Amino acid sequence: GEDVEQSLFLSVREGDSSVINCTYTDSSSTYLYWYKQEPGAGLQLLTYIFSNMDMKQDQRLTVLLNKKDKHLSLRIADTQTGDSAIYFCAERSGYSTLTFGKGTMLLVSP
Amino acid sequence: NAGVTQTPKFQVLKTGQSMTLQCAQDMNHNSMYWYRQDPGMGLRLIYYSASEGTTDKGEVPNGYNVSRLNKREFSLRLESAAPSQTSVYFCASRLQGGAEAFFGQGTRLTVV
Repeated sequence: GEDVEQSLFLSVREGDSSVINCTYTDSSSTYLYWYKQEPGAGLQLLTYIFSNMDMKQDQRLTVLLNKKDKHLSLRIADTQTGDSAIYFCAERSGYSTLTFGKGTMLLVSP
Repeated sequence: NAGVTQTPKFQVLKTGQSMTLQCAQDMNHNSMYWYRQDPGMGLRLIYYSASEGTTDKGEVPNGYNVSRLNKREFSLRLESAAPSQTSVYFCASRLQGGAEAFFGQGTRLTVV
């Protein structure tokens, strides 16, 4: 079945850039997503990218997709303490369902 | 426009009790999903409904049943709760053919 892998933890200083990486196995993925989860909260859709795109930029967020290597990354520029959260990578292929990674905990220190 | 609404937000059950988790969306979405989130496991799909009138099993369906009551509502039922079902449950919805999937705020269930 499909598998999505992420590193578990990333620590950065405020003002630095953060890069969260994700790999997936399903070559038929159509969309790839990044969600943010703050403590005790639900999942907030940050951004997504269609599989025929290489890059998508949205304000401080940049998503890079290397379809050949099945590698997705999320770059957060000028990281703030409010960006501290768990970030989930997810992929959608075929009909309907999303498959999630286990999440990367981002800790931003002042 | 409330998005995806889940009730209740918190619940404690005794082993063997039954309960139904409710989910409703007001975005006229076709597809709805139930996930559970456990520490270190990410989100795992329990059941989904691609459209009104259809339901399908996901990765971890055992011990659960679902009902797609109408286009807006998708409920998850635990017939005989077990401690292994202690988890945070999330409902999500998506417009068929659309990219974005939106999540509710979750139901935190503890089975003792």
